[in-house]
Amino acid sequence: AQKITQTQPGMFVQEKEAVTLDCTYDTSDQSYGLFWYKQPSSGEMIFLIYQGSYDEQNATEGRYSLNFQKARKSANLVISASQLGDSAMYFCAMREGRNSNYQLIWGAGTKLIIKP
Amino acid sequence: GAGVSQSPRYKVAKRGQDVALRCDPISGHVSLFWYQQALGQGPEFLTYFQNEAQLDKSGLPSDRFFAERPEGSVSTLKIQRTQQEDSAVYLCASSLGAGYNSPLHFGNGTRLTVT
Repeated sequence: AQKITQTQPGMFVQEKEAVTLDCTYDTSDQSYGLFWYKQPSSGEMIFLIYQGSYDEQNATEGRYSLNFQKARKSANLVISASQLGDSAMYFCAMREGRNSNYQLIWGAGTKLIIKP
Repeated sequence: GAGVSQSPRYKVAKRGQDVALRCDPISGHVSLFWYQQALGQGPEFLTYFQNEAQLDKSGLPSDRFFAERPEGSVSTLKIQRTQQEDSAVYLCASSLGAGYNSPLHFGNGTRLTVT
């Protein structure tokens, strides 16, 4: 069964609009971390934002925020005021506390294209 | 340097050649991971080090793949007798802690092409 599900393979958004990228996860662990990464066409994998399972507040980092709904097992990424440079693949990922090496479990990614 | 450094950035190898990919993690980072990423897909786990100990190598696709981190800092991923299916981007990542709440920071990757 998929542990991380990203249901949007691709999205087109007008520049300056807000974007929500969906991510749902599946775990029976109480302790886990959720991460979003951005991968531009140049290939580097850039860490954007982290949300811990015990965090009560939604994480924010500049224009990025994470809409964390624990009961629904949802961790959507919100990008405010999108820019052309936001065009990239976006991956949602999870580290589970019981996983002995805490490796990242990845979603399939969403390709975001910002239109001028 | 401030980030994870990988070299070479690009590597072209003829089928059957051995290659060595280097990763220099962020100073002080305990955990180090290697991932393989095919075009258009998410990264696939290869192996994990905590300091110099290789705690998980379950993702290595065959015994032609070997990784080491002898002094707990720089790591090398070696692929012997390369095959065309080994063509991919190899990503190295490090994290400060070994826990679930520690983000992984990635290098720019090495794009390996086997001809």
